[in-house]
Amino acid sequence: DAKTTQPPSMDCAEGRAANLPCNHSTISGNEYVYWYRQIHSQGPQYIIHGLKNNETNEMASLIITEDRKSSTLILPHATLRDTAVYYCIVRVRSPLDNAGNMLTFGGGTRLMVKP
Amino acid sequence: SQTIHQWPATLVQPVGSPLSLECTVEGTSNPNLYWYRQAAGRGLQLLFYSIGIDQISSEVPQNLSASRPQDRQFILSSKKLLLSDSGFYLCAWSSSLNTEAFFGQGTRLTVV
Repeated sequence: DAKTTQPPSMDCAEGRAANLPCNHSTISGNEYVYWYRQIHSQGPQYIIHGLKNNETNEMASLIITEDRKSSTLILPHATLRDTAVYYCIVRVRSPLDNAGNMLTFGGGTRLMVKP
Repeated sequence: SQTIHQWPATLVQPVGSPLSLECTVEGTSNPNLYWYRQAAGRGLQLLFYSIGIDQISSEVPQNLSASRPQDRQFILSSKKLLLSDSGFYLCAWSSSLNTEAFFGQGTRLTVV
């Protein structure tokens, strides 16, 4: 799996958009970008994933650059409950890949949403 | 819908005692199963993963072992706990077709 680089921490004002960057300059053509978050003392929660097109769901939007070497997770209206560590992961996704869908987590970005 | 259960939520064990953490998944069949550990203030470290019954792969050498006696049951064990085994242990599952992983609520283990 390709490595990712994220800033260790970020602050965001409540109600504003939180933009979390992730660099994955060695990403391969068949690797997807996944985002998870972990609220203190809880298990990680899946947020969103994408390959090359921008994606949006009820939680967030994912913007992937055209060269796919970086991406940004956007929380459009951050709330205090969005305070968490956000992990960016790149990995292969294939319906034929049953040989261990391993997820390797890096250090993540600690997002602090402030009132 | 699928659910994952992990217990106990917290555990305090003396050094040298055995360990058994259990994880079960409901609502799916033939899941991929994972055990992670998170030391205080650090990211998640993959310990074991399993693609099927009795098929376990270890990612790092350690004082722990894993077993999968049934399709939806994953057990993390140790014969003799060390102080360094303290941490937050997380079980997770993903289906063979969709690779989003879903995590349990974790077990906070303190070895004293």
